[in-house]
Amino acid sequence: QKEVEQNSGPLSVPEGAIASLNCTYSDRVSQSFFWYRQYSGKSPELIMSIYSNGDKEDGRFTAQLNKASQYVSLLIRDSQPSDSATYLCAALYTGTASKLTFGTGTRLQVTL
Amino acid sequence: NAGVTQTPKFRILKIGQSMTLQCTQDMNHNYMYWYRQDPGMGLKLIYYSVGAGITDKGEVPNGYNVSRSTTEDFPLRLELAAPSQTSVYFCASSQARTLPEAFFGQGTRLTVV
Repeated sequence: QKEVEQNSGPLSVPEGAIASLNCTYSDRVSQSFFWYRQYSGKSPELIMSIYSNGDKEDGRFTAQLNKASQYVSLLIRDSQPSDSATYLCAALYTGTASKLTFGTGTRLQVTL
Repeated sequence: NAGVTQTPKFRILKIGQSMTLQCTQDMNHNYMYWYRQDPGMGLKLIYYSVGAGITDKGEVPNGYNVSRSTTEDFPLRLELAAPSQTSVYFCASSQARTLPEAFFGQGTRLTVV
């Protein structure tokens, strides 16, 4: 079983709509989660982090963590063409040493 | 503030050659990571380090070696390049377990022919 799983997409939404991206994790994973945005040919860029159960909002972005169901999601309100990218979910494993593990990413396309 | 710097940006290697991918960070981060990303795929962890002198294997360590002699530097060594190592390599760093947000370098695109 993969430790962090995402639907590869593409997820297509019209401009101005809400984009909803989901990620599930195995029960070995720590409770620290991150969303990275990656434009084609570029490096991942951190856009949201969430550590506790519930919602965290930052501008047009909202991260949601549901520990009981073992999923984390990212909502993008008022989607813009510039939001078109691959969104990577990451989880921080803790144990003798921490390591950051990524899902395969969901490609988002915002259409005009 | 330069952040995480990787060199080179591009490289073509012949099968069996060796090379070192350089990674330097100036944020005094104690955690550093090497990932590879194949086309259309996510990031796979190769090696990571939690501080100078301490390294550990990630998900796909075979064919690679690392060292961490200083806090700033975390080079990745390929000893006998193989076509399967054609990929984009990213180095990342983070401050600590309590502040784990990782920041990435610009990547090294490696082709083995």
